[in-house]
Formats: sequence, structure tokens, C-alpha cells
Amino acid sequence: SYELTQPPSVSVSPGQTASITCSGDKLGDNYVCWYQQKPGQSPVMVIYHDSKRPSGIPERFSGSNSGNTATLTISGTQAIDEADYYCQAWDSSTVVFGGGTKLTVL
Amino acid sequence: QLQLQESGPRLVKPSETLSLTCTVSGGSISTSNYYWGWIRQPPGKGLEWIANIYYSGSTYYSPSLKSRVTISVDTSKNQFSLKLSSVTAADTAVYYCARLVWSNSPNFDYWGQGTLVTVSS
Repeated sequence: SYELTQPPSVSVSPGQTASITCSGDKLGDNYVCWYQQKPGQSPVMVIYHDSKRPSGIPERFSGSNSGNTATLTISGTQAIDEADYYCQAWDSSTVVFGGGTKLTVL
Repeated sequence: QLQLQESGPRLVKPSETLSLTCTVSGGSISTSNYYWGWIRQPPGKGLEWIANIYYSGSTYYSPSLKSRVTISVDTSKNQFSLKLSSVTAADTAVYYCARLVWSNSPNFDYWGQGTLVTVSS
């Protein structure tokens, strides 16, 4: 079965750029989306179609996908961005989630 | 504004069947280009996809759960449901229902609030 691998944790200082990666075999051949989940809340999609932002998502969230790696980038990270982030793709008629990355804003 | 709400027993005994229903409001479950899905999250762990269904009844299942899962839809009630048989403690999780945008980049754009189901005797 297809697997997506994310680092368990990423730390960033306020105002800096955070990058969260998601790796999978030939991932660039699939489209990737990203979800943000804060404690006790349901996930919220922040990026779809590799790099598109849903309505209401701040411009500081961006995404890219090439080769075997997709990346979620948060520019000018704020304390409110501290959350778990999950990548997701569609492969062989199944939804696949990455294991999740805990973003800490120090 | 589309809303999804999970309902069902919060406590299920081992070896029994977990049953949940998702009620969709603010929109029709019979809308083209959307599937409806179930995702779960064990306490302190990541998201796990379970299954999706289209209003016509077309389904997709997670290979790891397929043998125990049934997803169904009732368009007259604007609801879809999940049944998971032979549950064990490992099935204890928050269960979410969500809408899947059916495109070349399938994604879940609306989620329910989630319901914690505990498997315990």
C-alpha cells in the first residue's frame, strides 16, 4: 500500500518560515492536500491541488509538490499556526494520509 | 453553510459492531462530484481513512479495514452510515464524517465535529 512519510515534529520561531515535508514514491505524480488540526478540533484543509488555498486560508500558507516530496510552507509563522499538519493524497482508489507533523512555534 | 454531524453509541463492547450515522445539513448529499467519507483518529495518533460513498452507492474502502466495514447512504434522510464489525480496543478512536471533493485532487473540505467511540466491556 502507498505510504506518505512526514517528520514527527518541526519547530519554528515566530515570524520565521516553517517547512513541513511529505514524502512518497513518485508523489509528484499525485496531487497533495494539507490539513491543519488544532487540539480538540476537526481538521481544516489549508492546501489542495498541491498549492491552492481554500477560501479563508491566509496567504502565508503555500504548497509545492515535485519528485518524491511535497512541502507545506508557512511564511511569517504565527503562534496561532501551532498545530498538527497532515498531508493527504489519492492513490489506487484509496485516500492516504501522512502520519502527521506537530508544528511548534517557539 | 454545509454541516455534518456524527451520531451513534459512544461505547461499544468488544466483538460487537460499531454503528455511526452522519447527518448532512445545509446541502444535499445527492450533489454531483462529492463523495462522503469516514475517517478516524485514535487518541493521540494520526488520521486514518476508512471509506467513501457516492449518493448513487459507489464505494471505496480502506484495504486494511475492508473486511469489517460497510458504508451506506440514505438519500431520503440526507445521511450516510458506517458499520464496523468485530471491534477491539484498537478501534477506539474519534470518528469523523466528511465530504470528499471528487476531483483530480480528492480532498475533504467539510468535516463533522467528530465523535469518540470507546470499545470496552
